[in-house]
Amino acid sequence: NAGVMQNPRHLVRRRGQEARLRCSPMKGHSHVYWYRQLPEEGLKFMVYLQKENIIDESGMPKERFSAEFPKEGPSILRIQQVVRGDSAAYFCASSPQGGRANVLTFGAGSRLTVL
Amino acid sequence: GQQLNQSPQSMFIQEGEDVSMNCTSSSIFNTWLWYKQEPGEGPVLLIALYKAGELTSNGRLTAQFGITRKDSFLNISASIPSDVGIYFCAGQLPLPAGNNRKLIWGLGTSLAVNP
Repeated sequence: NAGVMQNPRHLVRRRGQEARLRCSPMKGHSHVYWYRQLPEEGLKFMVYLQKENIIDESGMPKERFSAEFPKEGPSILRIQQVVRGDSAAYFCASSPQGGRANVLTFGAGSRLTVL
Repeated sequence: GQQLNQSPQSMFIQEGEDVSMNCTSSSIFNTWLWYKQEPGEGPVLLIALYKAGELTSNGRLTAQFGITRKDSFLNISASIPSDVGIYFCAGQLPLPAGNNRKLIWGLGTSLAVNP
């Protein structure tokens, strides 16, 4: 029973390029969350999605960042025209539809380095 | 955004000592979660609490959901070197009509254990 799968684990981009981070939730989970973590800091909520719907994007920067969770395939966090300040670890988490649905299972993270 | 007050920010202890950390909020929560994050990995759920006054153990870890529903603590007994990591608390507010299940996070307690 695979957990939350994130790829790539490490990504290096030059300023101005695009970064795409992928997340496959746990089997049976219908909710996906993206968090950003800077070194030595806590988890910063970015966005919460269900299949084909964005539920809460209050933590997403207004520009250059977008997220989707299509009907088929993984959730994608997309960062356009990356800048050095985007360098961080990006964590995806998932949770099931019902029951104690607010317990999140996290992936191992994608570490973005912008040169 | 809303945040929990987690303390202490960091701890440096000797192997075998007991550890206590806590989270407080000005708001009432209906769920408290405690996670541990090891270097280079995503957070892993340690204990989930769902009822005021609930006391739950997981091996050497014990956590309690405060009676006021505004706080929670995590204790680690007889610490060992592999307890090293960052411990995060997270809580969920009572669900509004929109059913947004976003968690509110503490900034973490960094634990170092001296063998």
